Amino acid sequence: AQTVTQSQPEMSVQEAETVTLSCTYDTSESDYYLFWYKQPPSRQMILVIRQEAYKQQNATENRFSVNFQKAAKSFSLKISDSQLGDAAMYFCAYRTDSGGGADGLTFGKGTHLIIQP
Amino acid sequence: DSGVTQTPKHLITATGQRVTLRCSPRSGDLSVYWYQQSLDQGLQFLIQYYNGEERAKGNILERFSAQQFPDLHSELNLSSLELGDSALYFCASSGRQGRWSLYGYTFGSGTRLTVV
Repeated sequence: AQTVTQSQPEMSVQEAETVTLSCTYDTSESDYYLFWYKQPPSRQMILVIRQEAYKQQNATENRFSVNFQKAAKSFSLKISDSQLGDAAMYFCAYRTDSGGGADGLTFGKGTHLIIQP
Repeated sequence: DSGVTQTPKHLITATGQRVTLRCSPRSGDLSVYWYQQSLDQGLQFLIQYYNGEERAKGNILERFSAQQFPDLHSELNLSSLELGDSALYFCASSGRQGRWSLYGYTFGSGTRLTVV
């Protein structure tokens, strides 16, 4: 079974600075998807960014980018120019595709990101 | 509004009781997924339905069951409730292949269940 590990329960960063959240995963598959989700105090799960494993290029969405190291099974999220609205729980997730239409997400435990004004 | 509707938003019930949580998927999505988020277990996948049929099962207790109806809405039934079942229950939906590539998974806002 796939596992997702987020080793940083909490991170703190000054507003306007850059922060990197770590994620490692374990899989024997060669083709898969990885995600970062944001969960603000409202509890809504919001997709931040997604990466397809067969793509060499790291995904980028505005101030959010990933460092995807397939061989190392590492998938870190970099947030540039941190803003107060970035404060939230961040979850790394792996898409499990068992075939026959069976799929779903395996989540890490999450990293609580605090933005210091 | 994500397009996935979950009702009710909050539910308070007593131990031993049974509750039903409802989810309406995003228009056009055929798959519905249920997740449980608790402080000690984190986010756990419970079960997936695709076009009315069960497709995948995760860490779902035998006291819990789900179904997906012809109009594609889904219900999660939780029975013989225990204090430890208190959690946030999320529903997500997705399409297949091309549609999934475009939209991925869409989450509802969750149902907060408190068992007292």
